[in-house]
Amino acid sequence: GIQVEQSPPDLILQEGANSTLRCNFSDSVNNLQWFHQNPWGQLINLFYIPSGTKQNGRLSATTVATERYSLLYISSSQTTDSGVYFCASAYSGAGSYQLTFGKGTKLSVIP
Amino acid sequence: NAGVMQNPRHLVRRRGQEARLRCSPMKGHSHVYWYRQLPEEGLKFMVYLQKENIIDESGMPKERFSAEFPKEGPSILRIQQVVRGDSAAYFCASSSPGGQPQHFGDGTRLSIL
Repeated sequence: GIQVEQSPPDLILQEGANSTLRCNFSDSVNNLQWFHQNPWGQLINLFYIPSGTKQNGRLSATTVATERYSLLYISSSQTTDSGVYFCASAYSGAGSYQLTFGKGTKLSVIP
Repeated sequence: NAGVMQNPRHLVRRRGQEARLRCSPMKGHSHVYWYRQLPEEGLKFMVYLQKENIIDESGMPKERFSAEFPKEGPSILRIQQVVRGDSAAYFCASSSPGGQPQHFGDGTRLSIL
């Protein structure tokens, strides 16, 4: 099946700093989603972005499908951004739509 | 609230009991997916269902686990004779027939005593 790798595994930021999280995937995908899992365990949908660039407030994401990677940008980070960020993708040839998740990037934003 | 609804939010069972987890998809969605998250890990796919059909159960353990999505009512993930290793967060997601994007519920945290 498809492999999804995220980097870095851990990231500590000072409040107000910017960061870039990376997601590499091993095959052609028809679905690429970014999630934020907050400290209460809820999984928040950030972006559905199988290709191209999207922005939502301080967050933006870019997927370059031909090179099999996606980036999540967080600008002017806040303590509420802390948590684990997951990238998940679905292999375009599978017909099942099951998402494969990376192991996540654990972000800690300190005041 | 038109989101994916899961209940209960927390479930405690003793070893050997049965656990039933429920999931109501978003309005208009006919595809349901179940994922499991073990402590300190990412989510792993378990099963994909449409109404009255199991489409892909390649991630389901071979024994004790079953899932259904009846014509009426929520999808049910059933775990029989639970063991300590079943302790995890179980997430349900739903999508429209195109398969993406998937929208997730808040999960059910299952604890086995």
